[in-house]
Amino acid sequence: AQSVTQLDSQVPVFEEAPVELRCNYSSSVSVYLFWYVQYPNQGLQLLLKYLSGSTLVKGINGFEAEFNKSQTSFHLRKPSVHISDTAEYFCAVSSYTGNQFYFGTGTSLTVIP
Amino acid sequence: KAGVTQTPRYLIKTRGQQVTLSCSPISGHRSVSWYQQTPGQGLQFLFEYFSETQRNKGNFPGRFSGRQFSNSRSEMNVSTLELGDSALYLCASRGGEHYEQYFGPGTRLTVT
Repeated sequence: AQSVTQLDSQVPVFEEAPVELRCNYSSSVSVYLFWYVQYPNQGLQLLLKYLSGSTLVKGINGFEAEFNKSQTSFHLRKPSVHISDTAEYFCAVSSYTGNQFYFGTGTSLTVIP
Repeated sequence: KAGVTQTPRYLIKTRGQQVTLSCSPISGHRSVSWYQQTPGQGLQFLFEYFSETQRNKGNFPGRFSGRQFSNSRSEMNVSTLELGDSALYLCASRGGEHYEQYFGPGTRLTVT
């Protein structure tokens, strides 16, 4: 089975500052990795995904993430945040067979004007 | 393609009643998963259906059940509602070769 740990439950950051949301995973098999964003009273929206190949993955809204196999991490970054980035962010992992998704507990990003 | 749709969006029920929630996946997707989201417990996996068969199940009591129809639409039923069942219920569909899930907007269930 797989598991996901999001190390920070809340991250406040000033507008236009960079941000990193941390995610570590545990798995005995190769996995796919995902980041989702959830705005208030909405469902989850896929931000980006790592399947294979280049370890630096670019997603929507200027976000990117880097897969580090040796550290079993998949941290999400954005060089300059905007007020509209205030939301809940979830890291998720799925095995290659794709039978089940495992989500982290989420990180609440608050962008301060 | 149209996204995942869930109906109703909001629902208020009384303790002891039962409720049925509906989810229509993205066209062509055969896998539908259900999640319960609460402030205290976060996102919790309920079950997944694939081609009308339950493929995975989370750790929820038998009051929570589901089914999937031949057109991949899925329903989730909760019987004998409890106050603790108040939550956002999210449906996600999956298809294609890379297994990412696409979520609907959710059904907000309030049990009074």
